[in-house]
Amino acid sequence: KAGVTQTPRYLIKTRGQQVTLSCSPISGHRSVSWYQQTPGQGLQFLFEYFSETQRNKGNFPGRFSGRQFSNSRSEMNVSTLELGDSALYLCASSLITDYGYTFGSGTRLTVV
Amino acid sequence: DQQVKQNSPSLSVQEGRISILNCDYTNSMFDYFLWYKKYPAEGPTFLISISSIKDKNEDGRFTVFLNKSAKHLSLHIVPSQPGDSAVYFCAANNTNAGKSTFGDGTTLTVKP
Repeated sequence: KAGVTQTPRYLIKTRGQQVTLSCSPISGHRSVSWYQQTPGQGLQFLFEYFSETQRNKGNFPGRFSGRQFSNSRSEMNVSTLELGDSALYLCASSLITDYGYTFGSGTRLTVV
Repeated sequence: DQQVKQNSPSLSVQEGRISILNCDYTNSMFDYFLWYKKYPAEGPTFLISISSIKDKNEDGRFTVFLNKSAKHLSLHIVPSQPGDSAVYFCAANNTNAGKSTFGDGTTLTVKP
């Protein structure tokens, strides 16, 4: 079966721009979570969606937002990009949230 | 306040020997624990998990031990193989909260 698909794989943006990242979960998975990974850091939780509702949000500024569609696909948006937003953004889906995630390969965002 | 800590950023072992990766947590509400493995340019992949009602779970060469009183878990890999070289993340869930909290990861290098 198809895994978690994230698009695009790589992205270069300039400061002040905005960006939208996309995630298609495994078919049947209704929970989608987003994480940010920066060099030397673990995976920092951004938010989690379940059935189109944001159930959890991490400690990121309001410039980071997301949504989930009725087909469970999810998008995250970052507005007014800063250099420190450069990171690997990982999307993970799961059948229910207390089981292991299946991660996508991530979107590598570089802000210049 | 980092609730999940992997105090060893890196570990190097000889092929065939045991690898022991450690993880400590502070939140007593965590009731489900997972280990993920991550290769470069890929998302993390789920490896093994353990519920807080158990103290050991085994899957082939991988065994996870949980010491609830010490708030400590460890992953044992026996025997270690060069293909095990990767970053290993420990994660903890509060199943009522709907998200996983990750440690910063430990880079394991298995030398032939």
